[in-house]
Amino acid sequence: NAGVTQTPKFQVLKTGQSMTLQCAQDMNHNSMYWYRQDPGMGLRLIYYSASEGTTDKGEVPNGYNVSRLNKREFSLRLESAAPSQTSVYFCASSEGRWGGRPQETQYFGPGTRLLVL
Amino acid sequence: KNEVEQSPQNLTAQEGEFITINCSYSVGISALHWLQQHPGGGIVSLFMLSSGKKKHGRLIATINIQEKHSSLHITASHPRDSAVYICAASTMDSNYQLIWGAGTKLIIKP
Repeated sequence: NAGVTQTPKFQVLKTGQSMTLQCAQDMNHNSMYWYRQDPGMGLRLIYYSASEGTTDKGEVPNGYNVSRLNKREFSLRLESAAPSQTSVYFCASSEGRWGGRPQETQYFGPGTRLLVL
Repeated sequence: KNEVEQSPQNLTAQEGEFITINCSYSVGISALHWLQQHPGGGIVSLFMLSSGKKKHGRLIATINIQEKHSSLHITASHPRDSAVYICAASTMDSNYQLIWGAGTKLIIKP
């Protein structure tokens, strides 16, 4: 099992460009998450999907959109990238036995490093 | 004041030393998570605990609910333990959002 995979691993964008970060998990998890990590700060939740067909905003959703394409895949889209979105983005998943409550262990992808010039 | 605080922020020790990383929180929690972020960036969950103590290999995590404090211990530390250790809290009223500590950067010198 690959666990949680993310593509691309690294991306450079110009301000105003758009892109989609892809995430997939093969653990049959119900819940999936997108985080960003900036230097000196803890992980911050952008969006989450408690189960297939639902998505909700996290702590820092502005400038992002998500799609839960199916149970396996959860994508993050930047419609018009800004330098403030330069960050490392992590996708995570959890079983969702308790409705995806964060009491559960989360499994993380390897991250995508995004640089917006 | 952050709701989840870790100490120390940075820790350098010699191989073989006993390591303790602390996490204090100011909110009611349903669980406390410890994670490890490797120098390459990958994040791995180590423990999730709501009471008592858990052990996995050389890693031990404890939590004192009354004192709102958790510790992560590493026995017989090794250079491969060098990483950032992060604690995160699932709160009673959180809506899928963990409250994250800022992390402790641990360097073990051979």
